Amino acid sequence: GEDVEQSLFLSVREGDSSVINCTYTDSSSTYLYWYKQEPGAGLQLLTYIFSNMDMKQDQRLTVLLNKKDKHLSLRIADTQTGDSAIYFCAVEPSGGGADGLTFGKGTHLIIQP
Amino acid sequence: NAGVTQTPKFRVLKTGQSMTLLCAQDMNHEYMYWYRQDPGMGLRLIHYSVGEGTTAKGEVPDGYNVSRLKKQNFLLGLESAAPSQTSVYFCASTRRGNSPLHFGNGTRLTVT
Repeated sequence: GEDVEQSLFLSVREGDSSVINCTYTDSSSTYLYWYKQEPGAGLQLLTYIFSNMDMKQDQRLTVLLNKKDKHLSLRIADTQTGDSAIYFCAVEPSGGGADGLTFGKGTHLIIQP
Repeated sequence: NAGVTQTPKFRVLKTGQSMTLLCAQDMNHEYMYWYRQDPGMGLRLIHYSVGEGTTAKGEVPDGYNVSRLKKQNFLLGLESAAPSQTSVYFCASTRRGNSPLHFGNGTRLTVT
């Protein structure tokens, strides 16, 4: 089945850019998602990208997709203390995704003052 | 709209007790899911449903049962709780495949 890998921790200084990386195995995946989880809360959809796109920008967020290398990244510009959370990469398996998304283990983003 | 609502928010069970977690969505979504989240393990799919009256097993179904008698509700049951089922449980829904999942805020379950 699909496998999604992420680093467990990323530490950045406030005001710097954060780049969270994700690799996946199913080259037929159609949609790729980034979710944010704040302490004690559920997962909130941040952004997503369709597999025929290379890049998507939404305010401070930039998603880059390298389909050849099966690599997805999320860049957060001007990182703020409110960005401190766990970020999950999620991939929709080929075949429509009725059985849900495959999630990475999540990257804890730690903001240093 | 409330979105996806999970009840209860917290629960402590003794080994061998049973309980039901309720998930309700008001978005008329067809697909519903139960995940568990454990430290260092990410989210793992327990069971899912692609419509009223249907259920299917996910990655870690053992020890759990589900029912989808009404489109808006998806129930997760533990017949005989074990300490290994201590976890945070998340319900999610979506209108169909190729659409983002909408998550509830989770149920934190401790089994002693």
